[in-house]
Amino acid sequence: QQQVKQSPQSLIVQKGGISIINCAYENTAFDYFPWYQQFPGKGPALLIAIRPDVSEKKEGRFTISFNKSAKQFSLHIMDSQPGDSATYFCAASRRSSASKIIFGSGTRLSIRP
Amino acid sequence: DTGVSQNPRHKITKRGQNVTFRCDPISEHNRLYWYRQTLGQGPEFLTYFQNEAQLEKSRLLSDRFSAERPKGSFSTLEIQRTEQGDSAMYLCASSRDASYGYTFGSGTRLTVV
Repeated sequence: QQQVKQSPQSLIVQKGGISIINCAYENTAFDYFPWYQQFPGKGPALLIAIRPDVSEKKEGRFTISFNKSAKQFSLHIMDSQPGDSATYFCAASRRSSASKIIFGSGTRLSIRP
Repeated sequence: DTGVSQNPRHKITKRGQNVTFRCDPISEHNRLYWYRQTLGQGPEFLTYFQNEAQLEKSRLLSDRFSAERPKGSFSTLEIQRTEQGDSAMYLCASSRDASYGYTFGSGTRLTVV
């Protein structure tokens, strides 16, 4: 059972463009939605996270948009740079429980110079 | 070094052999997680410790897998009678409590030949 569905699987964006990655979740008990960035040979690193009581969170060039009624959330990377080329994972968890994080299948992002 | 440390970084073993991986979490983190990641997929939850207590195990964790966290510090993950399907990246993560996202280590890449 895939509780967090992520799309697209891969994405190519020109330098300076906007990268958009989408996720949908099924379990309405989820109340914490992080995004992780992973470079080859490294573990995932927390990029930005949102709770369902807000519709948007921005940190630098990274923005999460959250739509609770649609059970969807997305990551926007503004002014995308070659250094942003990595695999991005959306995730979800229930902070009230063991906080086990469920990950999406990932999006491989390539930024072309 | 205040990060999560995993050893070894790489392990090649013959099918049927036993292997053991070690994770040293961030010292003040009382929660420790093991995940498995195969190529092109997101991390899959295996098991979770709060201090020395193993509180949850995934159905992915067959009886050939065992994890321990003696004294609530480092953790070990052992795989007995390895199979080719066990080939994956094994990731360890830690967190202070439910309010925080995980910090992942760089993982142990297991190859079963």
